[in-house]
Amino acid sequence: QVQLQESGPGLVKPSETLSLTCTVSGDSISSDYYFWGWIRQPPGKGLEWISSIFHTGTTFYNPSLKSRVTIFVDTSKNQFSLNLASVTAADTALYFCARARGNPFDSWGQGTLVTVSS
Amino acid sequence: DIQMTQSPSTLSASVGDRVTITCRASQTVSNWVAWYQQKPGKAPKLLIYKASTLEIGVPSRFSGSGSETEFTLTISSLQPDDFATYYCHQYVSHSTFGQGTKLEIK
Repeated sequence: QVQLQESGPGLVKPSETLSLTCTVSGDSISSDYYFWGWIRQPPGKGLEWISSIFHTGTTFYNPSLKSRVTIFVDTSKNQFSLNLASVTAADTALYFCARARGNPFDSWGQGTLVTVSS
Repeated sequence: DIQMTQSPSTLSASVGDRVTITCRASQTVSNWVAWYQQKPGKAPKLLIYKASTLEIGVPSRFSGSGSETEFTLTISSLQPDDFATYYCHQYVSHSTFGQGTKLEIK
């Protein structure tokens, strides 16, 4: 049974870069069956897809965030990571990592709350 | 970008009721639509994919239908555990979620 666990700082200053890592266990991130993605949810609001990646390095980005987002994978550690640059208070959210099986997200991490504040 | 518009935003219902949530896409997405259930403080749970395919382990009272631009999620007989927020999700072109439907106890 796959498990995903987000990690990273809970507090980031405005204009800095938010960096999160998702550690996958119980499955190989190098599987040809899955993509791996990041989704966020501002407090009290809905879900917003950020980015997805395949183990070969193929990436997909939400057009509205593309200029600030980088996603990358470390197959040796069975992890994938997200960098979001130039953050503002609008980037405060619960950030989830998830596995996409043919694109619907079938397994999710528990989420990590990131607050942008000075 | 493809927009997904859910209705209603809030739905009040009772245990045993049949409820339907609708999601409209701003352009055709074929049948590349999924539905999720989310409870407060928890990650979303996949219920249905490819518009009508039930995820393994999901009770059969949940069903999905639709194609092209209009989709529905139906719960045939509400159970206490079903009161939650539901999201639709298109994945034909990148990913977009609907804004959510909160299902409340009447």
